[in-house]
Amino acid sequence: AQKVTQAQTEISVVEKEDVTLDCVYETRDTTYYLFWYKQPPSGELVFLIRRNSFDEQNEISGRYSWNFQKSTSSFNFTITASQVVDSAVYFCALSEEDGGSQGNLIFGKGTKLSVKP
Amino acid sequence: GAVVSQHPSRVICKSGTSVKIECRSLDFQATTMFWYRQFPKQSLMLMATSNEGSKATYEQGVEKDKFLINHASLTLSTLTVTSAHPEDSSFYICSASIAGGMDEQFFGPGTRLTVL
Repeated sequence: AQKVTQAQTEISVVEKEDVTLDCVYETRDTTYYLFWYKQPPSGELVFLIRRNSFDEQNEISGRYSWNFQKSTSSFNFTITASQVVDSAVYFCALSEEDGGSQGNLIFGKGTKLSVKP
Repeated sequence: GAVVSQHPSRVICKSGTSVKIECRSLDFQATTMFWYRQFPKQSLMLMATSNEGSKATYEQGVEKDKFLINHASLTLSTLTVTSAHPEDSSFYICSASIAGGMDEQFFGPGTRLTVL
């Protein structure tokens, strides 16, 4: 079973629209970390956020916001007023404390976001 | 801070040859380095985890004799793809962690390998 599910394979929006990327995770650990990364066409992964399992506070960073809900095992990512430069593949990832090799990042399949002008 | 470099960024080689990819942490010492592979339009899959001075731990299904990993210093890890075949063509990405375990990983820019 997938441990990190990003159900949206591709999303296309028009500039200035808000868009939410979904991430659902599965773990039996009580201590874990969740991440979001951006991968632009150049290929380099850009770190966006890291959240530990004990911190359910939502986070806002500029146009980006994250909604972490343990009750639904979700860690969704919203981009407000999207811009063309936001076009990229976005990965959600999970790091478990006891998942075999500690610290391994388990990536979702990614969501390709296209923002059109 | 926390910059990780990879060299080369792109490599094209003939089938049967070996290719070495370097991963360097430029401004920090990395206790642990990770190697990932990403096929086109797919996610990153962990290949192996290496700690400085010890043998790498490979994920299930990854051939350790084909993908040789050396982590000789706290700032350098190398991945050698031996006797490369076209199916090894992929995007290889390394990451480095200062403290290992669940500490944050810093990713390199990736190396695109094409085997003809």
